[in-house]
Amino acid sequence: NAGVTQTPKFQVLKTGQSMTLQCAQDMNHEYMSWYRQDPGMGLRLIHYSVGAGITDQGEVPNGYNVSRSTTEDFPLRLLSAAPSQTSVYFCASSYSPDRGHGYTFGSGTRLTVV
Amino acid sequence: EDKVVQSPLSLVVHEGDTVTLNCSYEVTNFRSLLWYKQEKKAPTFLFMLTSSGIEKKSGRLSSILDKKELFSILNITATQTGDSAVYLCATLSFGNEKLTFGTGTRLTIIP
Repeated sequence: NAGVTQTPKFQVLKTGQSMTLQCAQDMNHEYMSWYRQDPGMGLRLIHYSVGAGITDQGEVPNGYNVSRSTTEDFPLRLLSAAPSQTSVYFCASSYSPDRGHGYTFGSGTRLTVV
Repeated sequence: EDKVVQSPLSLVVHEGDTVTLNCSYEVTNFRSLLWYKQEKKAPTFLFMLTSSGIEKKSGRLSSILDKKELFSILNITATQTGDSAVYLCATLSFGNEKLTFGTGTRLTIIP
């Protein structure tokens, strides 16, 4: 099992550009989430999904879109990048969040918007 | 609004010392509290606590939850340099299956 795979690992964007951060898991997990991590602010939830075809907003959803067409993939789209979106982004998945190990995290994407 | 507060924000101790990290929470429909360790990259799972007063242990690490006073502690005994990391506390609520994180405690172990 590869676990949770995020691509790319690093990305530099210009203000106004769009891009998609990829997240894939091979553990047949229903629950998937996107977080951003900024210094001094911990991990903040952007969007999450409880299964294919179902998504919902988290704490900081503005400027981001998600879709969940398959169980395995949960891409995060930045519509028009802004410097405030410079951050480290983590994708996480879980079979059932209240059992076992909660969520398993990917290794992150470090995004810089200039 | 759900809130998870960790203290201290940072801690520097010598190898061999014992440390206690704190996590308090104000969360609607609280279900579980989780501890994660984050070194350079992805947070890795340490413990999930659901019941009050039952200690969970893994080697030199242990944790306990107090659902009456709404806090948890993470203890690390005989610390080693490999324990240097950011320790994250998170809560899970009934009904929405999402984690709410604290800002973390940065632990540095000096050889």
